[in-house]
Amino acid sequence: AQSVTQLGSHVSVSEGALVLLRCNYSSSVPPYLFWYVQYPNQGLQLLLKYTSAATLVKGINGFEAEFKKSETSFHLTKPSAHMSDAAEYFCAVTSDSNYQLIWGAGTKLIIKP
Amino acid sequence: DSGVTQTPKHLITATGQRVTLRCSPRSGDLSVYWYQQSLDQGLQFLIQYYNGEERAKGNILERFSAQQFPDLHSELNLSSLELGDSALYFCASSAGTGFPTQYFGPGTRLTVL
Repeated sequence: AQSVTQLGSHVSVSEGALVLLRCNYSSSVPPYLFWYVQYPNQGLQLLLKYTSAATLVKGINGFEAEFKKSETSFHLTKPSAHMSDAAEYFCAVTSDSNYQLIWGAGTKLIIKP
Repeated sequence: DSGVTQTPKHLITATGQRVTLRCSPRSGDLSVYWYQQSLDQGLQFLIQYYNGEERAKGNILERFSAQQFPDLHSELNLSSLELGDSALYFCASSAGTGFPTQYFGPGTRLTVL
């Protein structure tokens, strides 16, 4: 069965530094992959998604993610962190059979001034 | 704004009581999903409805039930409430089977005293 691992429940970076949030999935079958962001006391917002087109996916707020089939990874990056990026980020992948989303545990991104 | 609405925004009730949470999906979306988010359990998928019928079940307790009405809005009923049911409850919607992108509502914060 499909599973998702997000490495690091908390990631802390300085303002202006590179943001890298890791996501690995288990299936060898190329799935659909998603990153969602949740700001404090808000719902989850779609950041970007991979649906078997270009492997480098650009999302909102300057984020992008690269699908690497050989590494079963879909890491999220942003070249320069901003204070407003402080939030929790969730990676999700479609299940093998029925397009249900399988969710990672989430990574809280902390931005240091 | 995702287009998904949830009411009420906040709900405070006592143990043993029953509450109903309401969700209106994005216009045209046929699938509705319910999630529970708490500090100790993280984001948990509860149940999915597609065009009025139950499609998938996750970690939903027997004390909880849901339904989707002909106008596609959905209700989540929580009964015999316990302190541990205090959480954020999110509704999400998607276009339907084969369209896995989910759009989340702002959530209902339930506090059980």
